[in-house]
Amino acid sequence: DAMVIQNPRYQVTQFGKPVTLSCSQTLNHNVMYWYQQKSSQAPKLLFHYYDKDFNNEADTPDNFQSRRPNTSFCFLDIRSPGLGDAAMYLCATGTGVGETQYFGPGTRLLVL
Amino acid sequence: DQQVKQNSPSLSVQEGRISILNCDYTNSMFDYFLWYKKYPAEGPTFLISISSIKDKNEDGRFTVFLNKSAKHLSLHIVPSQPGDSAVYFCAALSGGSNYKLTFGKGTLLTVNP
Repeated sequence: DAMVIQNPRYQVTQFGKPVTLSCSQTLNHNVMYWYQQKSSQAPKLLFHYYDKDFNNEADTPDNFQSRRPNTSFCFLDIRSPGLGDAAMYLCATGTGVGETQYFGPGTRLLVL
Repeated sequence: DQQVKQNSPSLSVQEGRISILNCDYTNSMFDYFLWYKKYPAEGPTFLISISSIKDKNEDGRFTVFLNKSAKHLSLHIVPSQPGDSAVYFCAALSGGSNYKLTFGKGTLLTVNP
C-alpha cells in the first residue's frame, strides 16, 4: 500500500540535544510538508519542499531545519529543542495541485 | 490570527442521529475547503472537500455545505455511527497558494451507542 511513514512514532530528547525526525513516502508525490501540532491546536505548517525547492514559513523558528535528500525521504532537524517544542510532528505529502494531502501517523516529541 | 475557526471543541451525538460540525473562515481568498478526520495515534485522513463554486458536496453519509456569503461551512454526518468518533479538522486552500492548507483547531466528535 502506498503510504507515508514516520519514524520514530515517539521520541524523547533532552533540552538542547539535537534531534532528527524522519518521514518517507511511497506515493512519489512532489511535495512534502512538515507540520507541528500542539495539544488542542491546529496543525501548523513549518515548511515544505516542492521537489527540491525548500519553502520556509515566515514564523518558523530558525531552530527548525529540514532536508530532502531524494523524492522519498524528508527529515526534520531540531537543533536545540526547548520545552516549548514538545508536540506532535506530522509529515504529509501532496501532488502540488490543491486538494488532498496525505498524512503520516506523526511523531510525538517529548523534551525533558 | 486564526483564519479558519472551529468554535466547538467537542460534540456528542447519539448513534443514528445527525452530526453537524461547523467551520468559519475569514480569508475571502480561500477557494477550496476540506475536512479531515483524525483518530488517536493516527495522522489526519482526507474525508471530503468542496470547491467555492459549489454550495454542496455529498459522499455517502457525509455532506459538506458551503455558504460563501457567510464564510461558513458545515459537515453533516447522517446517520452517525460510533466509528465516526474522531477529531474533525476543517482546512482551507487559497488559489494563490494552491498547495498550502490552513487548518482549524478541530472538533472532537463522540458518537454514543
